[in-house]
This record gives sequence, structure tokens and C-alpha cells, in this order.
Amino acid sequence: QKEVEQDPGPLSVPEGAIVSLNCTYSNSAFQYFMWYRQYSRKGPELLMYTYSSGNKEDGRFTAQVDKSSKYISLFIRDSQPSDSATYLCAKSGYNKLIFGAGTRLAVHP
Amino acid sequence: DAGVIQSPRHEVTEMGQEVTLRCKPISGHDYLFWYRQTMMRGLELLIYFNNNVPIDDSGMPEDRFSAKMPNASFSTLKIQPSEPRDSAVYFCASSNMGDQPQHFGDGTRLSIL
Repeated sequence: QKEVEQDPGPLSVPEGAIVSLNCTYSNSAFQYFMWYRQYSRKGPELLMYTYSSGNKEDGRFTAQVDKSSKYISLFIRDSQPSDSATYLCAKSGYNKLIFGAGTRLAVHP
Repeated sequence: DAGVIQSPRHEVTEMGQEVTLRCKPISGHDYLFWYRQTMMRGLELLIYFNNNVPIDDSGMPEDRFSAKMPNASFSTLKIQPSEPRDSAVYFCASSNMGDQPQHFGDGTRLSIL
């Protein structure tokens, strides 16, 4: 079993939809959680960063962490075509990050 | 501020040739990471450095791969001899601390024919 599991998708939604992206993890140590967004032919860029359980909001994006069930989520409200990208979840490990496989999202007009 | 800078952006070469990928981390970042990304295996950590010293190279696939960091502002990843299965996108990333958010370069797209 991988330490961070993420459904690779692809996920296709209409513009304006609420998108839910999810990951599960297996090791409870070192509990920083991050979401990265990766556009085609670009490097991953940090989108959200959180430590504690609960919600963290930034504009149309909300990161949610449930440590009791080892579940992390990213919600995108009012999705736009410009949100079309691959989204990678990550958690901290021993002086490094453990990444999920990434979920490819397509938002169509 | 300049981000992580990688060169070249694209590299196409024939099997058996030596390939050298270069990375300039963000100034002041003490950690530098090399990753490989493929459709099949996703983002894989190859090796990381702390203060120019290699800490964990367990992700380096074979002895054909080597990495160096001669100073705080420069690192190389070398493949010798290269093979078609090495074709992938190679990313460099840097951070202040090992388990803190990393900043990625735009990668080197490597094709071995």
C-alpha cells in the first residue's frame, strides 16, 4: 500500500461546478499536508498548505484535513476552465514530502 | 524573486550518451530535491540534499544515475549511459526545511532514443 493514495481520474466537470479531490494516507507521523497544482508542461506549484485538522480556505479553494480518518480533500468552488490541471496531494515525511499520484481535472465551458 | 531554475528544458539524445541536468535552487533554501515524473509511476523522489550533502539517495534507480551539489546554488543530475527507459520529466525542487512546502522548477523533458 502506498503511503498516500489518490485517485488519478481523469475528472471532467462543467464550468461552475464544485469539485472535490481526495486523498488518503496511512502514516500518521509528520502531519503537514499540501495541495499542488500542475499545469501541462510546468512544475507543480503550491496551492494550499495546512497542518491541523479542519478547513482552510483561500478564495475558491478549501483544503480539509480529517486526521481521525486519515483523509485530505480539496474543494474548488465555481470551477473555471483555467482550473484544468493535475492536482497532487502531499504530506510531510522524514525530511521530505510524500506525493499522491495526482488527479487530472478538466473543466469544460 | 527568481524561482528554481532548471536547464535544459528539453533534451533529446541517443541511447548510451551521457546526460547532465542542471538546477539552481532558490537562494537561502537548504534542501534540494531531484524528482522524476512519468505517467506510469507519477512523481518519484530520486535524491535530496541538505546543505549540499546528499542525505537520501534510495530513490536513485541505478548506478547509472549520479547527483552532485558542489555549492549552495548549483546541482547536477547525471545519467551515464542513458537508456530509453530513462525518458521522463525530471524536476528539481528546493525548500527551507525538508518537510515544508517545496518550490519546483519547470523541469527537464528528457527523451532517450
